[in-house]
Amino acid sequence: SQTIHQWPATLVQPVGSPLSLECTVEGTSNPNLYWYRQAAGRGLQLLFYSVGIGQISSEVPQNLSASRPQDRQFILSSKKLLLSDSGFYLCAWSTGLAGSETQYFGPGTRLLVL
Amino acid sequence: AQSVAQPEDQVNVAEGNPLTVKCTYSVSGNPYLFWYVQYPNRGLQFLLKYITGDNLVKGSYGFEAEFNKSQTSFHLKKPSALVSDSALYFCAVRDMNRDDKIIFGKGTRLHILP
Repeated sequence: SQTIHQWPATLVQPVGSPLSLECTVEGTSNPNLYWYRQAAGRGLQLLFYSVGIGQISSEVPQNLSASRPQDRQFILSSKKLLLSDSGFYLCAWSTGLAGSETQYFGPGTRLLVL
Repeated sequence: AQSVAQPEDQVNVAEGNPLTVKCTYSVSGNPYLFWYVQYPNRGLQFLLKYITGDNLVKGSYGFEAEFNKSQTSFHLKKPSALVSDSALYFCAVRDMNRDDKIIFGKGTRLHILP
């Protein structure tokens, strides 16, 4: 069966520090991968998605970047964190970009920028 | 523009009573609709989806949803609520204008009162 992991679970970082969040998927090949941010326990904002190694599409211009160095690894990064980067970051995968495909979510990383 | 709306921020239901969480959508073409649930500090879990076929879709944990094309709605229902159903519920729809990516509603917090 497929599983998705995210780490760390919780992170407290000072403003201006770098960020690296990691997401890995097991039990499937060539998944589509997504990074979302959820603010204040509410709606989800799609940040990045990837259909393959090295292929990243950005949804919203911002202080963050994403990379996919391996088929089942998706990394969210920042060179300098802002206060507004605080939130709950969720990684998800699906078997295709077609809109009928279910997305499966990881447990999330809660980021607090102070 | 493709959109999904959850008109209620919060729904309170007594344990054992039927529950309904509302969702309406606006899409061009055939709608692909989803329901997800999120427990505190966790990722989203897939409940059910409508792609085509029967208007009544059955999903996990005893939940079901009814697709109503004339009313452009996809309300989530359960005949008898459990305290453990208390969570944040998201409706989502395929966005044909954005490479078929999924857009999420802002969420409805469901409180089941013992």
